[in-house]
Amino acid sequence: GAVVSQHPSRVICKSGTSVKIECRSLDFQATTMFWYRQFPKQSLMLMATSNEGSKATYEQGVEKDKFLINHASLTLSTLTVTSAHPEDSSFYICSATSGDTEAFFGQGTRLTVV
Amino acid sequence: QKEVEQNSGPLSVPEGAIASLNCTYSDRVSQSFFWYRQYSGKSPELIMSIYSNGDKEDGRFTAQLNKASQYVSLLIRDSQPSDSATYLCAVMGNDYKLSFGAGTTVTVRA
Repeated sequence: GAVVSQHPSRVICKSGTSVKIECRSLDFQATTMFWYRQFPKQSLMLMATSNEGSKATYEQGVEKDKFLINHASLTLSTLTVTSAHPEDSSFYICSATSGDTEAFFGQGTRLTVV
Repeated sequence: QKEVEQNSGPLSVPEGAIASLNCTYSDRVSQSFFWYRQYSGKSPELIMSIYSNGDKEDGRFTAQLNKASQYVSLLIRDSQPSDSATYLCAVMGNDYKLSFGAGTTVTVRA
């Protein structure tokens, strides 16, 4: 399958700081990327959908000013958690698709806010 | 998001047995269906995709789709301890968004 690289895999940050997570499609052009959050023992919850060159579409209840998404190229999307708080601690996962095929997931980022 | 329901589990099977996982979905226009395997602390890994009614086999895995019943299943034959994981059913809508079930945790007893 296609390769999606997510970085960093783990990050610990202080409360009030911002954290950027990168998601790259290494061997295909990702017209659409998705960002998910997963709390322990729960399924993936879609946060937002980003299409290259346009603003992200956020799911209901997700604060767009807190979770900034940029999809500047067909191979890179970033998620910035701004002014992070302990309740933002979670497993963040991106996925990418070229449109009409399967979505491939990055390795995930374990964010811990202390 | 559209609703995707999975049998709740957990499911415990002896090594060598068949593990059967079920999934129903609410959006009748869905066309693409996937099974992902997720190990604890890891990202989901695609193991099967299915797009048309009937069976699709890949090694020890068989996916079955019945669009009329809005039902998709996954069979794992000759289950191995390494199959112990959470299995997520996912349905793709026309907007390419995936809706996930809550997952079924499978434990294969050696």
